[in-house]
Amino acid sequence: NAGVTQTPKFRVLKTGQSMTLLCAQDMNHEYMYWYRQDPGMGLRLIHYSVGEGTTAKGEVPDGYNVSRLKKQNFLLGLESAAPSQTSVYFCASRRTAQGNSPLHFGNGTRLTVT
Amino acid sequence: GQQLNQSPQSMFIQEGEDVSMNCTSSSIFNTWLWYKQDPGEGPVLLIALYKAGELTSNGRLTAQFGITRKDSFLNISASIPSDVGIYFCAGPNSGTYKYIFGTGTRLKVLA
Repeated sequence: NAGVTQTPKFRVLKTGQSMTLLCAQDMNHEYMYWYRQDPGMGLRLIHYSVGEGTTAKGEVPDGYNVSRLKKQNFLLGLESAAPSQTSVYFCASRRTAQGNSPLHFGNGTRLTVT
Repeated sequence: GQQLNQSPQSMFIQEGEDVSMNCTSSSIFNTWLWYKQDPGEGPVLLIALYKAGELTSNGRLTAQFGITRKDSFLNISASIPSDVGIYFCAGPNSGTYKYIFGTGTRLKVLA
């Protein structure tokens, strides 16, 4: 009963370094999302995917790339980290795009860029 | 675009008190979701509402889908310390695959 699993839980990067955040879901959900959460800003959508092999931009996509090579995994990459990318990152998934299919979230990755 | 406004932004209440918070939008939503986020964890779905006027309970929590479809309310009765957290409303962005989230209501319960 893992649901949505994110790794790593914490990470500290130096400016300019790169890293990949991994999201895995075991619910056979079609749709997957990456959000970032900053104080006073709520949850903002970075990128999302409507199925294996597809990705699309959300509200704040700049500085991030994503890939969905397998249905159960959704990777978020930072090619050259900046201090403005210090945030908590949440992955979420849902079974369908219908209104009665809610989002299920992972427990987040706390990223600090110095 | 569609936006969700939550109020209040934060609340400090005594244990045992009832809590009310709301979420409003300038546009119509066909689904309202309420999530709770505990410190250090991801949001967890509390209640989902799919029909205007619907009133749904989950233990001490009750949520209502406003009749105009532009608002929703969440009530917590007899609050306890574990109710501490951030409560988010959310709804699907019409015509897209995306969800819109409110900025959250931060609840603190004083024992």
